[in-house]
Amino acid sequence: GENVEQHPSTLSVQEGDSAVIKCTYSDSASNYFPWYKQELGKRPQLIIDIRSNVGEKKDQRIAVTLNKTAKHFSLHITETQPEDSAVYFCAAPPNQAGTALIFGKGTTLSVSS
Amino acid sequence: NAGVTQTPKFRVLKTGQSMTLLCAQDMNHEYMYWYRQDPGMGLRLIHYSVGEGTTAKGEVPDGYNVSRLKKQNFLLGLESAAPSQTSVYFCASSYPTEEAFFGQGTRLTVV
Repeated sequence: GENVEQHPSTLSVQEGDSAVIKCTYSDSASNYFPWYKQELGKRPQLIIDIRSNVGEKKDQRIAVTLNKTAKHFSLHITETQPEDSAVYFCAAPPNQAGTALIFGKGTTLSVSS
Repeated sequence: NAGVTQTPKFRVLKTGQSMTLLCAQDMNHEYMYWYRQDPGMGLRLIHYSVGEGTTAKGEVPDGYNVSRLKKQNFLLGLESAAPSQTSVYFCASSYPTEEAFFGQGTRLTVV
């Protein structure tokens, strides 16, 4: 089945710095790549996603880039703020054969002011 | 529009007791999932379903059973609870290759 590797497991930055989290996947047929954010004590929620027909997608201070040849996608957060502190998960979604939604192990981002 | 609703939110069980967690979604999603979340372990898939009447094992299925008799409901059962099953459980639902929506989580403690 699909395998998702996420790095780093923890990331500490100063407010205003940029943060980058990377995920690699194994299924070359994957065509949808989401990122979820989980604040302490809350449920995971989608923050951005990208499909395989584009290489980059931006939404204000967050962006996702995709390299299908290398089978990795990355989350970029610019001008980090304390409210960005959370656990971030990448995921490999189900394919048409009926596989499951598999998450990376998560990255705990800490933004200090 | 409620989205994904899990019941109960909290539960304390004694070792050997049984319980059922209920997940209900109102978005007509085909796919439903049960995950457990432990510190430092991320979201680990227990079981999932790709449609009414179907179920499949995930990464950590031992000690759990599931049923999907109706499209909108996905039940997770613990037949004989063990302390190792102390965790936060999340249900989620989605269409394939679309955003997954999560329930608010169930905090289960087995003593």
